[in-house]
Amino acid sequence: AQTVTQSQPEMSVQEAETVTLSCTYDTSESDYYLFWYKQPPSRQMILVIRQEAYKQQNATENRFSVNFQKAAKSFSLKISDSQLGDAAMYFCAYLTQGGSEKLVFGKGMKLTVNP
Amino acid sequence: DTGVSQNPRHKITKRGQNVTFRCDPISEHNRLYWYRQTLGQGPEFLTYFQNEAQLEKSRLLSDRFSAERPKGSFSTLEIQRTEQGDSAMYLCASSLSPVDRMTYEQYFGPGTRLTVT
Repeated sequence: AQTVTQSQPEMSVQEAETVTLSCTYDTSESDYYLFWYKQPPSRQMILVIRQEAYKQQNATENRFSVNFQKAAKSFSLKISDSQLGDAAMYFCAYLTQGGSEKLVFGKGMKLTVNP
Repeated sequence: DTGVSQNPRHKITKRGQNVTFRCDPISEHNRLYWYRQTLGQGPEFLTYFQNEAQLEKSRLLSDRFSAERPKGSFSTLEIQRTEQGDSAMYLCASSLSPVDRMTYEQYFGPGTRLTVT
C-alpha cells in the first residue's frame, strides 16, 4: 500500500520570506501523481500544485514550486514571498493512475505566516 | 457557485442514532468520492462512485455505513447506530473520469462535521 509521510507537524514563516514543506512517499507503482492541497481554517481543501511522476520537470504555479526527487521518493513544496493568506494546513497527497484514483494523504502540516 | 456542496455542515447526534449526509458534486463530474478526516489526520478514502455505480469501498467503511448515488447525481452517506468513534469531518470530492494518461483534479466540498455524543 502507498504511504505518504509529512514529518513536520507545524512550521512558521515571516511574511515575504520563503518556506519549504517536506513530504516523502512510498510506492512500488510507476504511474502516479503527487499533489499539495491547502486547507484554510474552516474552509474547503483546494489544490495548490500537482506533479506527474513521468515528468522530470518540477511543477510551478506562481509562488509555489515543487522539488520532485523520484528516486528518493521526495516531494517538497516551496512557497516564495509568503503571504498572510498562505496560512493553512497543507497536505501532501499521492494518487495511482488508473482504477479508483483515490487520494492517499499525509497527516498534514500547519503553516503559520507571521506579519 | 457551481462547486461541490455538502449538507448539513455540522451535525451533532447521540450515540446510537442514524445520520445521513448529502453531497452535490459539480454537475458535469461523473466521479464522486467520500473521505473521512479525523482530528490531526489527513483525509482517508472511504468509497467512490463512477456515475451511479459504487466501484470501491475502503475497509474503513464498516457495515454501519452505506453510500448511494442514485441517477449518478448527488450522493448520500448514511451511518447507522453511530458511535463516538464516528466523530469526524466527512468530505466529498468530485472529478471527471481519467482519459488516456490524463487525471483530473478532485474538487472538494466544505465537509460535514459530525459529533457523536
